[in-house]
Amino acid sequence: DGGITQSPKYLFRKEGQNVTLSCEQNLNHDAMYWYRQDPGQGLRLIYYSQIVNDFQKGDIAEGYSVSREKKESFPLTVTSAQKNPTAFYLCASSMAGTRGTQYFGPGTRLLVL
Amino acid sequence: DAKTTQPPSMDCAEGRAANLPCNHSTISGNEYVYWYRQIHSQGPQYIIHGLKNNETNEMASLIITEDRKSSTLILPHATLRDTAVYYCIVRVYSGGYQKVTFGTGTKLQVIP
Repeated sequence: DGGITQSPKYLFRKEGQNVTLSCEQNLNHDAMYWYRQDPGQGLRLIYYSQIVNDFQKGDIAEGYSVSREKKESFPLTVTSAQKNPTAFYLCASSMAGTRGTQYFGPGTRLLVL
Repeated sequence: DAKTTQPPSMDCAEGRAANLPCNHSTISGNEYVYWYRQIHSQGPQYIIHGLKNNETNEMASLIITEDRKSSTLILPHATLRDTAVYYCIVRVYSGGYQKVTFGTGTKLQVIP
């Protein structure tokens, strides 16, 4: 975990509802990332941000949105456009540049009712 | 992107050394090898990383072959708490950001 917190641990979403997952870090890292993990599979990158007020789409950004208004915070919104949102969501952060190691938060498990 | 190949599962007796192999034959010269582990329903935990030299820290040792096409993570005295999925990844720095691609890893079962 190392200074990265995610909340809530479990989140339930109703059909057609948007939900927001929180990610906060106190490591003074510039870069932050959101990944999705499905059962028995590896991690897939949703969005990343290298600096405040800037972010880029990862490999599976459709149906998701993010903001980066503060260095410490990188919330992820799962919109109603995401048709298969049930997954384990992981936030990570790192120092910018080539030498930074990515450290991960504890994760949020999202379930659709 | 450099891909990695790991055995899907391994067993290790408690107290013995666990040696987890990884092949990364397409790795480029400036790409680092990273190891993480994930205990069920938790976030991945960073273990160790290296470029071309062998590395050791309080958790593990990393042995990288001279041609860098493979590496081995060594847990010197495995305990039951080391039971987890271990991921070997090649970290690519491209387009101004780090890209890490996690495969399915090796499920290590430490046996009492």
